[in-house]
Amino acid sequence: EAGVTQSPTHLIKTRGQQATLRCSPISGHTSVYWYQQALGLGLQFLLWYDEGEERNRGNFPPRFSGRQFPNYSSELNVNALELEDSALYLCASRDFINYNEQFFGPGTRLTVL
Amino acid sequence: LAKTTQPISMDSYEGQEVNITCSHNNIATNDYITWYQQFPSQGPRFIIQGYKTKVTNEVASLFIPADRKSSTLSLPRVSLSDTAVYYCLVVPNNNDMRFGAGTRLTVKP
Repeated sequence: EAGVTQSPTHLIKTRGQQATLRCSPISGHTSVYWYQQALGLGLQFLLWYDEGEERNRGNFPPRFSGRQFPNYSSELNVNALELEDSALYLCASRDFINYNEQFFGPGTRLTVL
Repeated sequence: LAKTTQPISMDSYEGQEVNITCSHNNIATNDYITWYQQFPSQGPRFIIQGYKTKVTNEVASLFIPADRKSSTLSLPRVSLSDTAVYYCLVVPNNNDMRFGAGTRLTVKP
């Protein structure tokens, strides 16, 4: 069974640009979570999508947005990039039954110059 | 959301048993307690979850007292490869999972 996949692995942008990160959940998983992890810090919850709808968002400005597609894959968009947006962005998915167990992807390392 | 408190770091030696305690004083009736492990530059990995008393799997044990205001993750006979950050989460009914800072465990030879 394929795990959660994320693309790209690395992304380098400059201040003010926009970044798009993609996530494909495990087959059969309908929920997708996005987290930001700055270097050496814990995970900060960004967004939670389930069945195509945004269910909750963390304490991040509106320039962090996303969506979930009918095939349950998801996209995270970060507009007007700032230097402090540099971080590892992790996507996780879970299924309907084992809702406490999230499966994480390898992450996208975003560097803002 | 129930707030969790756990030690920032812990040191241990190979072969020892490690116990990491997490406080969650305002845990709600329907909340579950879940632990994750994270290695550098990787996403966290689910270890164990429980609601009350004791849960054991092939990786760890989880002890939860009757009042459920704390929980203890027990790792038997740790090895160098158990060096990682361990996160305690309290997961409410709405499945909104929030990770804290975690406990950085360093296992020494």
